[in-house]
Amino acid sequence: DAGVTQSPTHLIKTRGQHVTLRCSPISGHKSVSWYQQVLGQGPQFIFQYYEKEERGRGNFPDRFSARQFPNYSSELNVNALLLGDSALYLCASSKGLAGDGNTQYFGPGTRLTVL
Amino acid sequence: QQQVKQSPQSLIVQKGGISIINCAYENTAFDYFPWYQQFPGKGPALLIAIRPDVSEKKEGRFTISFNKSAKQFSLHIMDSQPGDSATYFCAARAGNQFYFGTGTSLTVIP
Repeated sequence: DAGVTQSPTHLIKTRGQHVTLRCSPISGHKSVSWYQQVLGQGPQFIFQYYEKEERGRGNFPDRFSARQFPNYSSELNVNALLLGDSALYLCASSKGLAGDGNTQYFGPGTRLTVL
Repeated sequence: QQQVKQSPQSLIVQKGGISIINCAYENTAFDYFPWYQQFPGKGPALLIAIRPDVSEKKEGRFTISFNKSAKQFSLHIMDSQPGDSATYFCAARAGNQFYFGTGTSLTVIP
């Protein structure tokens, strides 16, 4: 079975631009979470979606937005990119809300570099 | 502010030795404590997890020890192997949000 897939693998943008990152969860999984991992740090929670509804949001500015589609895939959008947005963006999927027996499975991430 | 404090930042252990990584927290709303293993170029993978009503959980060579009163938990890797060399993250959940530690880079020397 395919794991969590993310696209693109790498991305280079300049300050002020907009970026869209994509995630396909494991088949049968209805929850997708997004994380930002800055080099040398642990992942920081951005959003969790379950059944196409936002169920959790971390401490990130409104420039960050996401949505989940009827097929449970998800997009993370970041507007007005800043140098500090350079990071590995991880997507994780789970059958239900993460925890309580619903393991999160992480994708390999999208490496975003903002110049 | 770091919600989950993890130490040490890096750890070097001889093959066959015990690796110990510690985490501490303050938020009493945390109700689920997973540990993740991450290899370079990969996303984190769940290793083992514990709830606060249990003091210890063991799965193979991996054990979580949990001290609710001290708000601390630790990962013990017994009989450490070179293949265990990776970065390890502790995490804690409150509501639908997970908070991760800063990571420990483990190197197991053959």
